[in-house]
Amino acid sequence: DQQVKQNSPSLSVQEGRISILNCDYTNSMFDYFLWYKKYPAEGPTFLISISSIKDKNEDGRFTVFLNKSAKHLSLHIVPSQPGDSAVYFCAAIRRGNNQFYFGTGTSLTVIP
Amino acid sequence: NAGVMQNPRHLVRRRGQEARLRCSPMKGHSHVYWYRQLPEEGLKFMVYLQKENIIDESGMPKERFSAEFPKEGPSILRIQQVVRGDSAAYFCASSRGTSGGRQETQYFGPGTRLLVL
Repeated sequence: DQQVKQNSPSLSVQEGRISILNCDYTNSMFDYFLWYKKYPAEGPTFLISISSIKDKNEDGRFTVFLNKSAKHLSLHIVPSQPGDSAVYFCAAIRRGNNQFYFGTGTSLTVIP
Repeated sequence: NAGVMQNPRHLVRRRGQEARLRCSPMKGHSHVYWYRQLPEEGLKFMVYLQKENIIDESGMPKERFSAEFPKEGPSILRIQQVVRGDSAAYFCASSRGTSGGRQETQYFGPGTRLLVL
């Protein structure tokens, strides 16, 4: 069962515009969420995270929003750059559980 | 400050052979996780180990797969009698463990791409 879902397998955005990547989860026990970025032939790289006690966390061009009532989080990248082209995975964890639950990824292409 | 290292990066095996995948965690990390990514799928948790201990192997197939993290040396994921369905990218991640009851951020290696012919 896929407890973390990324329903958009791909997204294309013009350079300089905003990229919005979405993630939904089903387990209300998740209390910490992370975004990872993955280039081809490389491992995922940690990007940004958010605790369930917050609804927003910002780091430079990257902002993650959390809507607990909707069990939804999103990653905003603004302005988007061609180097942002990669696959983005969201992940969720909860206290007392060992596993990171990953979504299936969204492939972002930023068009110059 | 080396990151998580995995080798080999690519591994080709024939059906029935054994595959051994190695992972050296980041300096200061004593917790290792193995994930598998099948084509068109996300990362699936397999096993979580600390030095000399398997903490959680709930994601690992019951047969043919085993993992270890000895006191000295890298963590090893071993797949015996490989089948074509084992072809996938296998990623290792490491972390400092837990803090406040929650898993700390995991840092991933570059992965080993296993191809079973």
